[in-house]
Amino acid sequence: NAGVMQNPRHLVRRRGQEARLRCSPMKGHSHVYWYRQLPEEGLKFMVYLQKENIIDESGMPKERFSAEFPKEGPSILRIQQVVRGDSAAYFCASSPWGPPGKEQYFGPGTRLTVT
Amino acid sequence: GQQLNQSPQSMFIQEGEDVSMNCTSSSIFNTWLWYKQDPGEGPVLLIALYKAGELTSNGRLTAQFGITRKDSFLNISASIPSDVGIYFCAGQVTGANNLFFGTGTRLTVIP
Repeated sequence: NAGVMQNPRHLVRRRGQEARLRCSPMKGHSHVYWYRQLPEEGLKFMVYLQKENIIDESGMPKERFSAEFPKEGPSILRIQQVVRGDSAAYFCASSPWGPPGKEQYFGPGTRLTVT
Repeated sequence: GQQLNQSPQSMFIQEGEDVSMNCTSSSIFNTWLWYKQDPGEGPVLLIALYKAGELTSNGRLTAQFGITRKDSFLNISASIPSDVGIYFCAGQVTGANNLFFGTGTRLTVIP
């Protein structure tokens, strides 16, 4: 069984560009969560999605950030007009059911660097 | 958001020693999870706890869900070099969709 897959693993963007981060959940998992981790810190929740629905985006910045989980294909976290403060590791987790607390599996992360 | 205080922040131990770390919260949690994160990787789930007082083991790892539901500890017995990494506690509050993570304990094992 493949685990949670994220790509790219590393992404470098100049200020003002767009970043697209992709996450494929584990097979059979229909719940996806995105977290952000700054250096030397724990993970901070951003958004929780089920197929075609955003369930909870309380941790997502109001501007420039968006997420989707279409019926077909991976979940996408999109950051428009990136700024240096967006540099962080972004992790996706999936679970077979929600809310989380049971068996939430994380991907390897995408390290975004904004220059 | 919920505040999770994890201690110690870092530990340097000799191979073979036992390790203990804990996590306290300002709120009552209904689930406690312990993860390990290696450099450049995502967190890997080690142990999950769902009931107050629950004590669960996974090999050399043992974790407990505190009776007050506001704390949890993780013990590692007979540490080995591959135990090196950052250990995070995470918890869930009733009604929340997400996990709240502690700040991590960085473990270094000296051979």
